[in-house]
Amino acid sequence: DAKTTQPNSMESNEEEPVHLPCNHSTISGTDYIHWYRQLPSQGPEYVIHGLTSNVNNRMASLAIAEDRKSSTLILHRATLRDAAVYYCILRGNTGTASKLTFGTGTRLQVTL
Amino acid sequence: DGGITQSPKYLFRKEGQNVTLSCEQNLNHDAMYWYRQDPGQGLRLIYYSQIVNDFQKGDIAEGYSVSREKKESFPLTVTSAQKNPTAFYLCASSPSNRVGTEAFFGQGTRLTVV
Repeated sequence: DAKTTQPNSMESNEEEPVHLPCNHSTISGTDYIHWYRQLPSQGPEYVIHGLTSNVNNRMASLAIAEDRKSSTLILHRATLRDAAVYYCILRGNTGTASKLTFGTGTRLQVTL
Repeated sequence: DGGITQSPKYLFRKEGQNVTLSCEQNLNHDAMYWYRQDPGQGLRLIYYSQIVNDFQKGDIAEGYSVSREKKESFPLTVTSAQKNPTAFYLCASSPSNRVGTEAFFGQGTRLTVV
């Protein structure tokens, strides 16, 4: 399985943008880049995903490098409710490759 | 409302007893997954199923068993062979073989073995 590398933790001030990086140098051509986040004592929730182009939704933006070996999750204005562990995951689109394999993620702290 | 339900939220068992965790989804998803999470750690895949009556071992399947007799249900049994069963267990589902789809997670079952 292709692996991802993320910083263990990051800090941000409330109302400021946050850029969460992820390296995935062994990504294959059909792997999608998924981001999930997990609040304490809850199951992970989907944030965003993409293949090659940058993606935007109501929660965040995903910027994907041209060579696809790295990506960045962008929270445009962090709030205290965004404090969570953020997981970057590579997911194939068929068969056993479609299983989700989680790393240790980035713990985001948001302060006033 | 559509979703994925795990029960119970908290479960206590004596050492040496088997215990079954429930996971039900009404999203009509083909794929279902079981994960284990230990304090301060990421999620580790125990078992997954792409279709009814079929399932595969994940990274830490020893001491666990599953069944997939119905599309909407994927129960996990923690057997007495699991050396350290106390953990937070998460179930997820997703459409399988659909490009770039998201997974939905339950709220988890916290199992404590004493």
